[in-house]
Amino acid sequence: NAGVTQTPKFQVLKTGQSMTLQCAQDMNHEYMSWYRQDPGMGLRLIHYSVGAGITDQGEVPNGYNVSRSTTEDFPLRLLSAAPSQTSVYFCASSMEGARTGELFFGEGSRLTVL
Amino acid sequence: AQTVTQSQPEMSVQEAETVTLSCTYDTSENNYYLFWYKQPPSRQMILVIRQEAYKQQNATENRFSVNFQKAAKSFSLKISDSQLGDTAMYFCAFMKSGSARQLTFGSGTQLTVLP
Repeated sequence: NAGVTQTPKFQVLKTGQSMTLQCAQDMNHEYMSWYRQDPGMGLRLIHYSVGAGITDQGEVPNGYNVSRSTTEDFPLRLLSAAPSQTSVYFCASSMEGARTGELFFGEGSRLTVL
Repeated sequence: AQTVTQSQPEMSVQEAETVTLSCTYDTSENNYYLFWYKQPPSRQMILVIRQEAYKQQNATENRFSVNFQKAAKSFSLKISDSQLGDTAMYFCAFMKSGSARQLTFGSGTQLTVLP
């Protein structure tokens, strides 16, 4: 079982560069989300999706774009990276009918913006 | 908006002993869920235990149990018979009922189990 797969696991960017963090799940989950984890701040929700074609903003959406063209994939795009986006990013998925609130997380992607 | 507060950034416990991690939250919602997630050094997030706010009975999962005090908005995690593998960052999290799985996390407590 692959579960939730994130790529890349590590990335270094220069300020102003763009990149996409990939997230794929093979569990046919309706819900997918992106969180960022910063020291002393826990995880904060960036964007989420309740199904293909439907996305919405979370707590800290500025500087990030998402799309959900298929159930399986939920990429996170940084259009112009800034040092403040240095963080560890987690993708998560969940399904209706599962133990409510149980998110399945990817292994995280550590991003450094210089 | 909800807030989740974990006031203990770091804790340690001797192997086989019992430890309690604290969590308080603030919300105006009546229907919600609370969770404890564990993040070991591997960085993988793992659900430890969950509590439905409408249930008065405290949740238990093997060595893990919670003390849920709804009126006080308190949700502590008790780990009994601590094991070295329990060493991890522990996050308390809140989810409003019907919120499409949007979780609000606390800042975490780093627990170290000492041999």
